[in-house]
Amino acid sequence: QKEVEQDPGPLSVPEGAIVSLNCTYSNSAFQYFMWYRQYSRKGPELLMYTYSSGNKEDGRFTAQVDKSSKYISLFIRDSQPSDSATYLCAMRTPGFKTIFGAGTRLFVKA
Amino acid sequence: NAGVMQNPRHLVRRRGQEARLRCSPMKGHSHVYWYRQLPEEGLKFMVYLQKENIIDESGMPKERFSAEFPKEGPSILRIQQVVRGDSAAYFCASSPADRDYNEQFFGPGTRLTVL
Repeated sequence: QKEVEQDPGPLSVPEGAIVSLNCTYSNSAFQYFMWYRQYSRKGPELLMYTYSSGNKEDGRFTAQVDKSSKYISLFIRDSQPSDSATYLCAMRTPGFKTIFGAGTRLFVKA
Repeated sequence: NAGVMQNPRHLVRRRGQEARLRCSPMKGHSHVYWYRQLPEEGLKFMVYLQKENIIDESGMPKERFSAEFPKEGPSILRIQQVVRGDSAAYFCASSPADRDYNEQFFGPGTRLTVL
């Protein structure tokens, strides 16, 4: 079993839809939870990070962490074609080693 | 402030040759991390370095791979005697001084193709 599981998709939605992206994990020691966005042929860029459980909102993006279920989510409201990318979840224990999910490819159709 | 820089962006090598990948961290960052990304897979941690020190290389293959981050100059990931399975995108990330959480800023990657 992988430490972090993420459905690779692809996920195709119409413009304006609410997108839900999810990851599950097995290591209860993870404390930092991140979402990265990666455009084709580019490096990942950090969208949001959350420490421990709870919700965090930033504009159209909301990240949720449920440590009891070992489940994290990223919601994108009013999705735009420019949101089309691969979204990677990532997790860390205190320290540096970051474990990434496989990434979900998202396509937002105009 | 320039971001993380990697070069070359694309590298083609024949089996058995050596590949050298360079990474210049963001200004003020003293921590460098290397990751490998295979097609349709997430990033896999390879090695974590500070200036002149390898902190953790648990993700790096035991043979043919080495990394350094000298006092002066970029970090280098070196792959000797490359094989087709080494074809991947290699990303470097950097972060500032050590704390429990430090955002890692990623470079654009080097895409290695082994013929």
